[in-house]
Amino acid sequence: EMVLTQSPGTLSLSPGESATLSCRASQSVISNYLAWYQQRPGHAPRLLIYGASNRASGIPDRFSGTGSGTDFTLTISRLEPEDFAVYYCQHHGGSPSFSFGQGTKLEIK
Amino acid sequence: EVQLVESGGGLVQPGRSLRLSCEASGFSFDSYAMHWVRQVPGKGLEWVSGITWNSGVTDYAGSVRGRFTISRDNARKSLYLQMNSLRLEDTAFYYCAVRGTYYSFDYWGQGTLVTVSS
Repeated sequence: EMVLTQSPGTLSLSPGESATLSCRASQSVISNYLAWYQQRPGHAPRLLIYGASNRASGIPDRFSGTGSGTDFTLTISRLEPEDFAVYYCQHHGGSPSFSFGQGTKLEIK
Repeated sequence: EVQLVESGGGLVQPGRSLRLSCEASGFSFDSYAMHWVRQVPGKGLEWVSGITWNSGVTDYAGSVRGRFTISRDNARKSLYLQMNSLRLEDTAFYYCAVRGTYYSFDYWGQGTLVTVSS
């Protein structure tokens, strides 16, 4: 079973700083099938990154994704107040067909 | 503009059934695979089920296989989730989502809350 582990669980930063969020897979994954989402309180998730490193439509270039194999990173530079939310990684492949990490909460310090 | 509007959620007793609907607009619904993803309030995301554009292939998470059935009506631009034998642990927000080329969930509805309780 594919397991995605995100770290840290909570990240406390100030606006203007940069955030580095990690997603580690229990087995090597297909990079093309690794995505990141942002979820603000009371809202549905929003796609940020697909294919490990491609920004979705309308996503500012402050958001970037990197990684391959089992280790993936979402970096958010120059944090804006609206960036403080929960972030999830997601992968397709194996069993179950789609897996999500448990999430990283980015909170204002 | 892509819009996905879920409906059909509510309070239901354990063991009973419920049918969720998702009405789509703003894109070529009949060209895309569609999925259901759920989220227990305050918890993380869990993929539930998916269906290909032509209903040729359906897939389910182990936790719902045999109890839930996904279907779609391309003429009505609608996605459905028939949920039978509901359990307390099925309580969650249920989101419908459009699956993109890279197997990401590119667009999401606002969700509908299903509460299973006696």
